[in-house]
Amino acid sequence: GAVVSQHPSRVICKSGTSVKIECRSLDFQATTMFWYRQFPKQSLMLMATSNEGSKATYEQGVEKDKFLINHASLTLSTLTVTSAHPEDSSFYICSASIGTDHSPLHFGNGTRLTVT
Amino acid sequence: AQSVTQLGSHVSVSEGALVLLRCNYSSSVPPYLFWYVQYPNQGLQLLLKYTSAATLVKGINDFEAEFKKSETSFHLTKPSAHMSDAAEYFCAVSGERMNTGFQKLVFGTGTRLLVSP
Repeated sequence: GAVVSQHPSRVICKSGTSVKIECRSLDFQATTMFWYRQFPKQSLMLMATSNEGSKATYEQGVEKDKFLINHASLTLSTLTVTSAHPEDSSFYICSASIGTDHSPLHFGNGTRLTVT
Repeated sequence: AQSVTQLGSHVSVSEGALVLLRCNYSSSVPPYLFWYVQYPNQGLQLLLKYTSAATLVKGINDFEAEFKKSETSFHLTKPSAHMSDAAEYFCAVSGERMNTGFQKLVFGTGTRLLVSP
């Protein structure tokens, strides 16, 4: 089955630093990847849709300058949390779709970000 | 806009008992419906999906769900719970297109299944 690899699984950083999270589709090409954020005991909230070779589309209320998304290839998308603050601490999950409109998304295992 | 309501943030069952997790949806277009399972500190794993074919959908690990349009429901069931089923379960709906042209997946708030021996 389709595998999405997300790295790192957890990261602790100091306030003011930037953190990069990678999302890779290992055995398929993902023209579109999605980035979600999950607060404790809450559902997944879509942050942005990442398309290979073009700018990401951000959901309302998500700061594009804060959460930089780069989708440089068909198998890699990165999310960079810039100038992280404690309120950015969360669980970030990426997903990718094989391509059909209603195909179920394949999810990475998530990244637990803690900003101290 | 599409939405999903999962009744009950927690459901407790005994091992071997029937599992029933409720999901109701709202959609202005024919929906596609999904159930996902999430184990602690992990991503989501697809259990099953409804995409306008058979209304009774069978998934992995003996889970199944029935699409009932009249009730706008897609409840998840399993005849006999195992300890390993303890996890967070998310119902999701898609069908409406985002500005990107892609269909957006909208998640419910999740139901934590607790299984006692």
